[in-house]
This record gives sequence, C-alpha cells and structure tokens, in this order.
Amino acid sequence: AAGVIQSPRHLIKEKRETATLKCYPIPRHDTVYWYQQGPGQDPQFLISFYEKMQSDKGSIPDRFSAQQFSDYHSELNMSSLELGDSALYFCASSPEGAYEQYFGPGTRLTVT
Amino acid sequence: AQTVTQSQPEMSVQEAETVTLSCTYDTSESDYYLFWYKQPPSRQMILVIRQEAYKQQNATENRFSVNFQKAAKSFSLKISDSQLGDAAMYFCAPSSGTYKYIFGTGTRLKVLA
Repeated sequence: AAGVIQSPRHLIKEKRETATLKCYPIPRHDTVYWYQQGPGQDPQFLISFYEKMQSDKGSIPDRFSAQQFSDYHSELNMSSLELGDSALYFCASSPEGAYEQYFGPGTRLTVT
Repeated sequence: AQTVTQSQPEMSVQEAETVTLSCTYDTSESDYYLFWYKQPPSRQMILVIRQEAYKQQNATENRFSVNFQKAAKSFSLKISDSQLGDAAMYFCAPSSGTYKYIFGTGTRLKVLA
C-alpha cells in the first residue's frame, strides 16, 4: 500500500540558510499535518492543511511557512535557520473526516 | 486546550510478560478519538491502537489492548506476551476538533530477554 513520502530524508544546513521540506500524502488523502520532534521530545504540531487551505496552526515560528498544492502535496519552508530548528520533521496525512493520521518516515534536519 | 500526561518516563518488562502504560488526558470535546503510537529506534511513527470515545468497549489489536475510562479521562495500553520488538517509545495522543494530535511526553519501554 502507498505510504506518505517525505523528501529529503536528511538535510544539513547552516545557520541563517533556508530549507524546504516536501510531503506527498497517500493518494486520495486531502489533509496534511506537519509535526516537529526535537531530540528526546514528543512531536509538536506545527500546521495542517485541508483541501489546500490552512486548517489549524500550532507552535510554528514566523520564520516557517507552508502550503498545500493542487496535487495535495505540501511543502514546509524554513528560513533564517537556527540551531534549535534541528529536529525530525514529520508529515502525516488523512482522508477527509478521519481522525487517524498516517505518518511519513520524517525528514531529519541538522542545522550547523 | 488539551493536555496529555504520561507519568511513566520509562518501563521495563520481561519477555513474554505483560506491561501496562498509563495515559491521562484533559479535553472539553465530547467527540474524540484516542491513539497509541509506537516509535522504535528507526523513529517511524507506527499506529498501535485506536479508541473511539463514544464506544464503551475497549479496543483490542492482537496482543495490544486498552483500558479506556472516559469519566476519569484515562487511556492505558496493555501489552501482553511482550516481545523484543515491542521495545520503543510509546506516545499517547488524543485527537478532536481540527484533528491534530497532542502527544504525551512518551514512555520508553524496555523488553528484557
């Protein structure tokens, strides 16, 4: 069965650089969620999209932005990267009206 | 706002034995779901079991079962016949409203051979 695809799987950036993380949801899933998991932490909700519109927003820094495109894939753009942005970033998707989320393998971002 | 408490940072269980991981939550929603996710060293988030809050019957998935006490807002996970592959971080997560997950701080489960 198709799963959520995230790219890249690993990313190394320097401070003040910009990073773009991509997420391709399971086919026919119209809702995408982004989570950030710092070292030794639980995943924290960042933002979600339903039918290409932002549906909820969590503790996402103003330096971050995201969008969902017409093909339902989503991108998380992160600018002016800081050391504290080093984390595992998960994307999850779900079909309309469903509470259960299906997680991708995550993108490990390292900021040096 | 929802809050989730997992009061056991770490638990150990002997292989083939049974262990229970606890989770309490607070929500003002009347309609919600509860989930347990497992995160092995690979860091992949794997769904273990789900519970619909309006169902009184406790969910069961093979060796995994829950004890859901809605009035007490308690949602514990019982793992029977523990296996080495069960070793992981376990996160409790309620979901309601806009469907986002609020995760607990997790319980690290060690399985002893």
